[in-house]
Amino acid sequence: DADVTQTPRNRITKTGKRIMLECSQTKGHDRMYWYRQDPGLGLQLIYYSFDVKDINKGEISDGYSVSRQAQAKFSLSLESAIPNQTALYFCATSSGESTDTQYFGPGTRLTVL
Amino acid sequence: DQQVKQNSPSLSVQEGRISILNCDYTNSMFDYFLWYKKYPAEGPTFLISISSIKDKNEDGRFTVFLNKSAKHLSLHIVPSQPGDSAVYFCAANPRGGYQKVTFGTGTKLQVIP
Repeated sequence: DADVTQTPRNRITKTGKRIMLECSQTKGHDRMYWYRQDPGLGLQLIYYSFDVKDINKGEISDGYSVSRQAQAKFSLSLESAIPNQTALYFCATSSGESTDTQYFGPGTRLTVL
Repeated sequence: DQQVKQNSPSLSVQEGRISILNCDYTNSMFDYFLWYKKYPAEGPTFLISISSIKDKNEDGRFTVFLNKSAKHLSLHIVPSQPGDSAVYFCAANPRGGYQKVTFGTGTKLQVIP
């Protein structure tokens, strides 16, 4: 079984709709992240959490919110989706050790019409 | 401010030849550097890393070089294989462990058979 899972894998929604992307991990890591990838822009950090009670904004948090329901679960919400939020979204986890290697989920392809 | 830069968005190399991917950084507090590889429709996966106390780390066909004075690192793949065709991200972790990793924008490598 995959260490980091994301649901849904693909989603098409309409402008103005609220949508939630979910992430679960079985690695036992405290740290979790949400990124989006746009063509030519690499990975942009949306939000990150270093433990259940810690939530931090990343580079592009406007229009997004997150919830860390448990050590293993970190969800991303788009309160009112807009077309320029069409992107590939990745969840990741890391241990917080010196190397802090990140383990990514398979991604969610979101299309906002 | 882009603290980790990959100035070449794409690179094409013949099978069997060397691929060299470059990455520059500006923050002298970065302590650990990593390379991730990403295939289409998959999340990035960790490839190789290097600590700032070293100038070279080798793992099979992959070698990462670090030049701290120039704030530059490079990933060498020898010999290149078609299966190496992917997007490569460099990433940097700061000292202290309480700050997030920073990713570059990625370089798309195409290895031509």
